Amino acid sequence: DADVTQTPRNRITKTGKRIMLECSQTKGHDRMYWYRQDPGLGLRLIYYSFDVKDINKGEISDGYSVSRQAQAKFSLSLESAIPNQTALYFCATSPGDRRMNNEQFFGPGTRLTVL
Amino acid sequence: SQKIEQNSEALNIQEGKTATLTCNYTNYSPAYLQWYRQDPGRGPVFLLLIRENEKEKRKERLKVTFDTTLKQSLFHITASQPADSATYLCALDASGYSTLTFGKGTMLLVSP
Repeated sequence: DADVTQTPRNRITKTGKRIMLECSQTKGHDRMYWYRQDPGLGLRLIYYSFDVKDINKGEISDGYSVSRQAQAKFSLSLESAIPNQTALYFCATSPGDRRMNNEQFFGPGTRLTVL
Repeated sequence: SQKIEQNSEALNIQEGKTATLTCNYTNYSPAYLQWYRQDPGRGPVFLLLIRENEKEKRKERLKVTFDTTLKQSLFHITASQPADSATYLCALDASGYSTLTFGKGTMLLVSP
C-alpha cells in the first residue's frame, strides 16, 4: 500500500465551487505539506504543518485553506475555485527530525481542472 | 528571496555516458540541499541530500557535489541508462526545518 495517498486523483470543477483535496499518510510523520506544480513554474509550497496544532502559510497560500485533522490527515480546500488554480497538486510528508535526512515523501498527485 | 536555477533546456545524452546537471542558488547559505527525481505525472522521489559541510555524496551511480563558495551543486549520473530519463529537481532547505524551495527542474533524456 502507498505510504502517502491523495484523493481524488483527478477532479474537474467549475469556477466558484468549493472543493477539498485530501491527503493521508501511514508513515507516522509529523510534518505534512501541500504543493502545486505548474508547467514552467515548478513546485511551489502552499501550506505546511509541523504537527496537528501547527499550520503555516507557504509561498502561495492565497485562495487556499488547510485543515490538519490528525497526524495522518491533511486536507487542502479551495473555497471558491478559479481557473488559474488549475494545476497538479501534491501532498508530501517528512519526519522532521534534524538528525535524519528530512527527505520529503510525495503522494501521487491530484490533477485539478477548474473550468 | 532566494533563487534556485536549473537549466531549463533538456539534457540529451547517449546511454553509457555521464550526465551532469547543475543547480545554482543565490541569496542564501542553505544548511543542506536535496535532489529529487520526477517522472511525468508522478510525485518527486528523493535521491540524495548533501549538507553544507560535505563536498561530495555518492549513492550507487549517483554523485552530488556541493560548492558553498560558488553556490552550486552538481548532480552526476554515471553509466546512464534510458531508465534514467526523467526530470531532476534540486531543492534547498533554507531554514533547516524542512520547508523546501524547489528549482524548476532539468529534464534528462538518455537515448539507447
